[in-house]
Amino acid sequence: ETGVTQTPRHLVMGMTNKKSLKCEQHLGHNAMYWYKQSAKKPLELMFVYNFKEQTENNSVPSRFSPECPNSSHLFLHLHTLQPEDSALYLCASSPTDRGGSPLHFGNGTRLTVT
Amino acid sequence: GDSVTQMEGPVTLSEEACLTINCTYTATGYPSLFWYVQYPGEGLQLLLKATKADDKGSNKGFEATYRKETTSFHLEKGSVQVSDSAVYFCALTENRYSGGYQKVTFGTGTKLQVIP
Repeated sequence: ETGVTQTPRHLVMGMTNKKSLKCEQHLGHNAMYWYKQSAKKPLELMFVYNFKEQTENNSVPSRFSPECPNSSHLFLHLHTLQPEDSALYLCASSPTDRGGSPLHFGNGTRLTVT
Repeated sequence: GDSVTQMEGPVTLSEEACLTINCTYTATGYPSLFWYVQYPGEGLQLLLKATKADDKGSNKGFEATYRKETTSFHLEKGSVQVSDSAVYFCALTENRYSGGYQKVTFGTGTKLQVIP
């Protein structure tokens, strides 16, 4: 049990589909993150939410749309993706009241775009 | 900006061999240092951490010492097991409050394969 739960674990979608990734944490953290992990590339930070407010958007294409309805839930809405978007998408959370705290990750959603 | 450099993999070792994965960093302030591990099919999980110079983090037989003079945080284990096969990430985050979230700088990861 990681404390951060991501669903689905695997997703295959066509380029014209619309799907959503879900992340849920019950660790009492107020910051939540989306990372993209591609083969042979460093981890890429996509979005950060702090107390439900988006505080970071690292030039992510608009075909990725995050949503954070409360501090425990985070979504990533996907539409008209490209094959190069195939990757492992990781959600993480952390406390916000002090620096130097570790991130807590979910097990990720393995996305394949066909 | 901050950066983390760790040795390229993959690293292949026989069971019970000694492990060292090198990690060096550059940072403008006084960061906390971390090692995360990612087992196949899973997300990253914290392996160990150190928050100030000369601190030693340890967990599951792994150790790493925060060396400010050499800006290093090398991961070591005296006797690896097949179950240690995973990808290991060195990372840092600034200790100063950074506006409500952790600005983490990750290394590129080192894949370890332990063979029986």
